[in-house]
Amino acid sequence: NAGVMQNPRHLVRRRGQEARLRCSPMKGHSHVYWYRQLPEEGLKFMVYLQKENIIDESGMPKERFSAEFPKEGPSILRIQQVVRGDSAAYFCASSPREQNYEQYFGPGTRLTVT
Amino acid sequence: AQTVTQSQPEMSVQEAETVTLSCTYDTSESDYYLFWYKQPPSRQMILVIRQEAYKQQNATENRFSVNFQKAAKSFSLKISDSQLGDAAMYFCAYRSANYQLIWGAGTKLIIKP
Repeated sequence: NAGVMQNPRHLVRRRGQEARLRCSPMKGHSHVYWYRQLPEEGLKFMVYLQKENIIDESGMPKERFSAEFPKEGPSILRIQQVVRGDSAAYFCASSPREQNYEQYFGPGTRLTVT
Repeated sequence: AQTVTQSQPEMSVQEAETVTLSCTYDTSESDYYLFWYKQPPSRQMILVIRQEAYKQQNATENRFSVNFQKAAKSFSLKISDSQLGDAAMYFCAYRSANYQLIWGAGTKLIIKP
């Protein structure tokens, strides 16, 4: 059973470009969570999605950031017009249902903005 | 709002010895879950152990065990017979009924051969 997949593992973007981060949850999981980890810090919650629905985006910056989890395909975290402060590791986790207390993490995408 | 505090930025231990990592948290909730995650240099986040707040018995997973003190809001991780492969960042995390994981800043564990 494949785990949570994230790609790319490393992404380099120049300031002003767009970054697209993909997350494929574990098979049978319909709940996806995105977290951001700045250097030397713990993870910070960004957004929680179910298929075709954003359930909680309270941790997302109000501008430039968006997320989706379509009926078919991976969840996408999109960052428009990236700035140096967006450089971080972005982790995706999935669970089979909201009430399940365990979230399974992907390997993360390290975004570097030059 | 819930907070998680790890007061030890770095800990070191001799191989085969025992080390304890500290974690405290603040919450007004009575029902929640606590976790320890390991993040090796590969940066993959690996679940080490979990504890349900309603359970009085401390969780144990092989060489890993916790000391859960609910009244004191303390959740420490004990690693026995430390191995070189245990070297990593260790994060304490809190999860309430609203599913968000709240994370501590992490403790870097160094294993001395």
